Amino acid sequence: DAGVIQSPRHEVTEMGQEVTLRCKPISGHNSLFWYRQTMMRGLELLIYFNNNVPIDDSGMPEDRFSAKMPNASFSTLKIQPSEPRDSAVYFCASSPAGVGTDTQYFGPGTRLTVL
Amino acid sequence: GQNIDQPTEMTATEGAIVQINCTYQTSGFNGLFWYQQHAGEAPTFLSYNVLDGLEEKGRFSSFLSRSKGYSYLLLKELQMKDSASYLCAVINDYKLSFGAGTTVTVRA
Repeated sequence: DAGVIQSPRHEVTEMGQEVTLRCKPISGHNSLFWYRQTMMRGLELLIYFNNNVPIDDSGMPEDRFSAKMPNASFSTLKIQPSEPRDSAVYFCASSPAGVGTDTQYFGPGTRLTVL
Repeated sequence: GQNIDQPTEMTATEGAIVQINCTYQTSGFNGLFWYQQHAGEAPTFLSYNVLDGLEEKGRFSSFLSRSKGYSYLLLKELQMKDSASYLCAVINDYKLSFGAGTTVTVRA
C-alpha cells in the first residue's frame, strides 16, 4: 500500500518566491496534518484538517503561510513570499480519524531551502 | 503548555540494551507515542501507550506511568540499524506534541 506521498522532495528557492508543497494522504484517512521540523524547534504542528476542513491552524507561523485541502486525496501548503527562516523539512501526515489513539503516518518530507 | 523532556544523545554497543527516558508535563493526555526517525527520513511509528505498564513489541518495549508523567523506550539486542533519533510524543485529542528527540548511536 502507498503511504503518504509528498512532492517535491527537495526545493531550493530564493527569498521572496512562492513555494507550494504537495501532499497525498493515505487513502481512506480522514485527517491530515502539516508539520515543520527544524534543529532549533523540533517537530511542530502547523495545521490540522479533518474531512478536508481546517480544524486547527494555530501553528501556522504567519500570514505568509496558507494551506488548502480541496478534496480527500490532496493538500497543499503554500508560502508566499518565502524567507530564509522558512528553511526546514516539512512533513505531511495522515491518520484514519485524527483523534485519541489514532497513529499518524508521516510522508517522506520536503526539504525546503530558501536562499 | 507542553513540556516534554528526553536526553539529547545516547551511545551503546551492538547487542546491548538502551533505555530512553521521557518525562512530560502537558495540559491534556490521551496517550504517548514513540517514533523512530533515521537521518533524512520521516518519523515512523514504534509504539503507543495509554494505560500504565509495559508494552512489548519484539526487541522494543515501551513503559508508561501516568501518575509520574514518565515513559521509557527500551531497545534490546541493539543492531547497527537502530542508530537513529527516537521521538517521544504526547497526544491530546488530535494534537501530537513532540520532544526534541534522543539520538542513539550504536557502535560495533
